[in-house]
Amino acid sequence: DTAVSQTPKYLVTQMGNDKSIKCEQNLGHDTMYWYKQDSKKFLKIMFSYNNKELIINETVPNRFSPKSPDKAHLNLHINSLELGDSAVYFCASSKDGGLQPQHFGDGTRLSIL
Amino acid sequence: SQQGEEDPQALSIQEGENATMNCSYKTSINNLQWYRQNSGRGLVHLILIRSNEREKHSGRLRVTLDTSKKSSSLLITASRAADTASYFCATDTSGYSTLTFGKGTMLLVSP
Repeated sequence: DTAVSQTPKYLVTQMGNDKSIKCEQNLGHDTMYWYKQDSKKFLKIMFSYNNKELIINETVPNRFSPKSPDKAHLNLHINSLELGDSAVYFCASSKDGGLQPQHFGDGTRLSIL
Repeated sequence: SQQGEEDPQALSIQEGENATMNCSYKTSINNLQWYRQNSGRGLVHLILIRSNEREKHSGRLRVTLDTSKKSSSLLITASRAADTASYFCATDTSGYSTLTFGKGTMLLVSP
């Protein structure tokens, strides 16, 4: 039933490791997003994909690489994790055409030791 | 720099009271959206108001938009303990759902 689902919900790992977060939406939306929410709750767009194609790539280190195998999935792979990567990462999706609300997953809390 | 700034940062009220949160932004927008975030959960869309609209209602929610002052307000009437959450405004400057979020207002409604 879950519209936008992310896995895992919690991710605790060591500095320098590589990890992936998966996102799937069953809403039939064409656009998917990744956001980072810091400890002060500030939410910032990282990437936006439309029909498997990258349309927004904000100033994000190239250690972060999104991958969209199909329009229902947008995964986030992070190489060489750093302490500053600790945050909550949210996946979202929306219909095409503008003036559309975004639907968010429940987030993945990433903690770097 | 971020587009939206909510005010106040935190608001504490009693059940039954009204809660008003404000949002200011810096550049022209296509639309402005309000979202709610419960603790440990994702954001939930509440209302979208277009730049040519001045007011919108949804249940106990009322949103106003003043593009001349680049500001919006969210009013929750007759608040309930279940309204306890963080509330974010988000601006869409392109009209293609690319949102810039503010830092949010934390609302605590006590029974």
